[in-house]
Amino acid sequence: RKEVEQDPGPFNVPEGATVAFNCTYSNSASQSFFWYRQDCRKEPKLLMSVYSSGNEDGRFTAQLNRASQYISLLIRDSKLSDSATYLCVVNDRTGGSYIPTFGRGTSLIVHP
Amino acid sequence: ETGVTQSPTHLIKTRGQQVTLRCSSQSGHNTVSWYQQALGQGPQFIFQYYREEENGRGNFPPRFSGLQFPNYSSELNVNALELDDSALYLCASSMQETQYFGPGTRLLVL
Repeated sequence: RKEVEQDPGPFNVPEGATVAFNCTYSNSASQSFFWYRQDCRKEPKLLMSVYSSGNEDGRFTAQLNRASQYISLLIRDSKLSDSATYLCVVNDRTGGSYIPTFGRGTSLIVHP
Repeated sequence: ETGVTQSPTHLIKTRGQQVTLRCSSQSGHNTVSWYQQALGQGPQFIFQYYREEENGRGNFPPRFSGLQFPNYSSELNVNALELDDSALYLCASSMQETQYFGPGTRLLVL
């Protein structure tokens, strides 16, 4: 069974803090990796893709370590609006498409 | 917005009933995936349709079934509803690797 594991948290941090989340996956043949953000009672929304070379988008940096089979998300200078659940997603290729497996999510609470 | 729509937004059913949920994919996307998300959990993969064929299935019983139509919209059918089927049901459309989610249907089974 393919597993994607995340620390559920919650991570409770003050504004301006730097926070990092990790996610481990069990299938070494997994093809592609993503971080999604999910606000309370809303659908998940794509935050960023994750590459071995690293991927930065403003205050957010994502990294993939294939050897150790984990992906990470770093948020710098946390804002109140960053409070949400962060889901890591691992894609496995089958036929002509990709089958994703989601982690259970890591909850982030940014307080004033 | 992703352009993925789902209907209905909310639904209340009783045990033993049947339900059909609908999803319209983003224009140009040929793949639709369905997920069940219970409170406090990540989305659990139910199945995926690629060009009208089931392309993969998660650990859900046969009473969860689906369809994809030539315009790539999709339906999720659940028969013999159980209390544990109460959840947010999400569909996501994709063309390649990235999934774009609809707003979900909240199902309550009493």
